[in-house]
Amino acid sequence: QSALTQPASVSGSPGQSITISCTGTSSDVGSYNLVSWYQQHPGKAPKLMIYEVSKRPSGVSNRFSGSKSGNTASLTISGLQAEDEADYYCCSYAGSSLYVFGTGTKVTVL
Amino acid sequence: EVQLVESGGGVVRPGGSLRLSCAASGFTFDDYGMSWVRQAPGKGLEWVSGINWNGGSTGYADSVKGRFTISRDNAKNSLYLQMNSLRAEDTALYHCARVYSNSGLIDPWGQGTLVTVSS
Repeated sequence: QSALTQPASVSGSPGQSITISCTGTSSDVGSYNLVSWYQQHPGKAPKLMIYEVSKRPSGVSNRFSGSKSGNTASLTISGLQAEDEADYYCCSYAGSSLYVFGTGTKVTVL
Repeated sequence: EVQLVESGGGVVRPGGSLRLSCAASGFTFDDYGMSWVRQAPGKGLEWVSGINWNGGSTGYADSVKGRFTISRDNAKNSLYLQMNSLRAEDTALYHCARVYSNSGLIDPWGQGTLVTVSS
């Protein structure tokens, strides 16, 4: 059970698009389309942004989108806004009732 | 409104034990799996343990296997985490969260209860 690998930080200017990668293995990301993404602002509980690789819960902006290729999932934020500045975590089901989170990415809006 | 409220955190010495509780409301508790997720100060999220709707299936992170036990009481709409042989590295904010097992999504999350393991 090793944590999924994410870049420590990603930055962009308002209006730009950024992509956060999440690399796992054939035992987790590569085996299941059960990748989710969470946004966490300082001092707050995580908030679900994407589930089942690319589905958006109601109330989440369509500026957030997800995809997957092989053992790597990605979260793209388009039209970057100041309120998007936060930490982002991916999570994958890993079989046998186990889940694994990513190492986390700090998104900075320049 | 769905609510998850954790309790039971505190300061404990290395080797000690603690039992966390999570009170759920606003949804049909026994329709869902549940999980505990922790976050050490200044660090990332770590999935700790999960349990299915009736308690018949459980899972643990390698870091806590053999020391922590997850359980639930559907009559009381409550989730528990019994933590034994606590170590300094178990110090974290422990969140209770609802799990949609078919979708692999974890939502919502409680605000957490802080566990500090220190001598």
